[in-house]
Amino acid sequence: GIQVEQSPPDLILQEGANSTLRCNFSDSVNNLQWFHQNPWGQLINLFYIPSGTKQNGRLSATTVATERYSLLYISSSQTTDSGVYFCAVVVLEFGNEKLTFGTGTRLTIIP
Amino acid sequence: KAGVTQTPRYLIKTRGQQVTLSCSPISGHRSVSWYQQTPGQGLQFLFEYFSETQRNKGNFPGRFSGRQFSNSRSEMNVSTLELGDSALYLCASSLDRRTYEQYFGPGTRLTVT
Repeated sequence: GIQVEQSPPDLILQEGANSTLRCNFSDSVNNLQWFHQNPWGQLINLFYIPSGTKQNGRLSATTVATERYSLLYISSSQTTDSGVYFCAVVVLEFGNEKLTFGTGTRLTIIP
Repeated sequence: KAGVTQTPRYLIKTRGQQVTLSCSPISGHRSVSWYQQTPGQGLQFLFEYFSETQRNKGNFPGRFSGRQFSNSRSEMNVSTLELGDSALYLCASSLDRRTYEQYFGPGTRLTVT
């Protein structure tokens, strides 16, 4: 099945720093989403971005579907950005469509 | 518009018991999916319901089942609980099944002792 890999697995930054999170997938996909899981476990939908670039405040994302990767940019990090960031793609496996998550990047922002 | 709600938020059960979790989707969303999150296995898809029918299923044993009601609310049931079923169970709703753009609830944290 499709593999979804995220890098780096862990990232520790000072408040105010910028960061880039990467998501690689092993097969072509027609949708991709980025989520932020806060320390309480809530998954927040950040972007639905099957291709192209989107921006929302300090966050932006770019997906290059032909090269099978997506990037999430966080600028001017704040402590509230801490948590785990997941990318997820829909895969078809044994006749079932399912959202498959990457292994995540744990981001820690230090004040 | 209210988000996805899940009840209960926390649950402690004993091995061998059964449990039922509830999920209310965002108003107007008719697709509801369930996921299990554990430290060892990460986030794994359980099943998806749309118009009261299971449309997709992940690789979980038959002890895990679900259903959806006419108002799109969904329940999942786990019978004969095992210690390994301890996890965060997340429900997500989606307006458009073609895109699978999903919005998640806060989760139910289940502990099996």
